[in-house]
Parts: sequence; structure tokens; C-alpha cells
Amino acid sequence: QVLLVQSGAEVKTPGSSVKVSCKASGGSFSTYAINWVRQAPGQGLEWMGGIIPVFDSPYYAQTFQGRITITADASTRTAYMNLMRLRYEDTAVYYCATEALDWGQGTQVTVSS
Amino acid sequence: ETMMTQSPATLSVSPGERATLSCRASQSVSSNLAWYQQKPGQAPRLLISGASTTTTGIPARFSGSGSGTEFTLTISSLQSEDFGVYYCQQYNKWPWTFGQGTKVEIK
Repeated sequence: QVLLVQSGAEVKTPGSSVKVSCKASGGSFSTYAINWVRQAPGQGLEWMGGIIPVFDSPYYAQTFQGRITITADASTRTAYMNLMRLRYEDTAVYYCATEALDWGQGTQVTVSS
Repeated sequence: ETMMTQSPATLSVSPGERATLSCRASQSVSSNLAWYQQKPGQAPRLLISGASTTTTGIPARFSGSGSGTEFTLTISSLQSEDFGVYYCQQYNKWPWTFGQGTKVEIK
């Protein structure tokens, strides 16, 4: 089992960017996919994209193409999700999760002027 | 993209009764199907993976079945703490997709 610890809550203004980190401990980091999922208030779960660190080739949901960058640093066992040009509707809790379905605790991102 | 459809949207069950939740995939996901429970303000809690493998620490009253496109989560004897929203998720291939959720209410 992999323990995922995410970075803390963020408040951002519209048009800015946010970068959320996800640090893994235990298990194999490089060969397992890390996924990013978000949940807006009162809504369901939405997959944003994923990356397999050893291949360093991310795959993004169509909805976020052009606005998202997912990276992974095997030396620090940390994955990152960068979402750009933030809108009010990007207010959500953002989760990272391994392909073995270990989940981080979530990071609240609030977009507010 | 594989669409996941859950039914019913809301389920009202008396304590001690059986609850049956359904999830249908628009194409086969083999057994790569997970069930989660979520309560307000909390992260999703993994109950079942591999369609039928219960996560360590999850009570035995939770069970999953199915393969391919039809899946079921059964709560054999509903307890008051089982209220919440239940999601199914396919992880057979990217993009991961989730059902819209079934809200379980205690009658």
C-alpha cells in the first residue's frame, strides 16, 4: 500500500494557476500510474489525467487539454498537477490516486476574486 | 470513453435491511471496477476493488459482484453508519470514469 500526502489548501484568483503536489511513500513509485481526480462542491468525481513516472508521458482528460500539466519527480517520489487559467468553477477538492486505488487526503482549491 | 451508469439515484433503506446498488458500464471493463463510499466533507473511501475484493477493514456486510458491464454492490444488513453516497468507478483504461453516485438514506 502506498501513502499519498498532498499539499495544503490554496486560494487563487481567476486566471491564475495552481500547482498541487502529491508525495508517495511505500511501494513502487516509478512504475505505477498516478492519477488526478477532482470533486466540485456537491458534484461527483471527475478524472483529470494521469502519468506513469517511468514513462513520463502524461494523459489528460479532453476537458482539461491545454490547461493542465501533470509531472512526476521519481527522485522525490512526488507527482504534481498544475492547472492554469483558473475559473470560479475550478473550485473543488483535488485528489491524487495510484492505479492501485490508494488516494491522497485531498487538497481544497478555491478560486475567488 | 466508458460511461458508468448507477441506479437508483437514491435508495432509502431501513436498518437491518438489504441494500442493492447497481452499476452498468457502456463497454466491458473486465473486473476493473471499484466501489467507494463518501460522506459529507470526507474523501471517498474504497470499499471494493476488482469488482468483488473487499478492502481490508471494510465490514463483511459489504460485498461486490459482477464482471464485464454489470456490477452490484450489496450491503447485507444496513447499519445507520452506512448512509452516504456510493460511487462506482472503472479503472480498466484511461480515462477513469465514475458513476454519478447512489445516495443511500436511512429510512
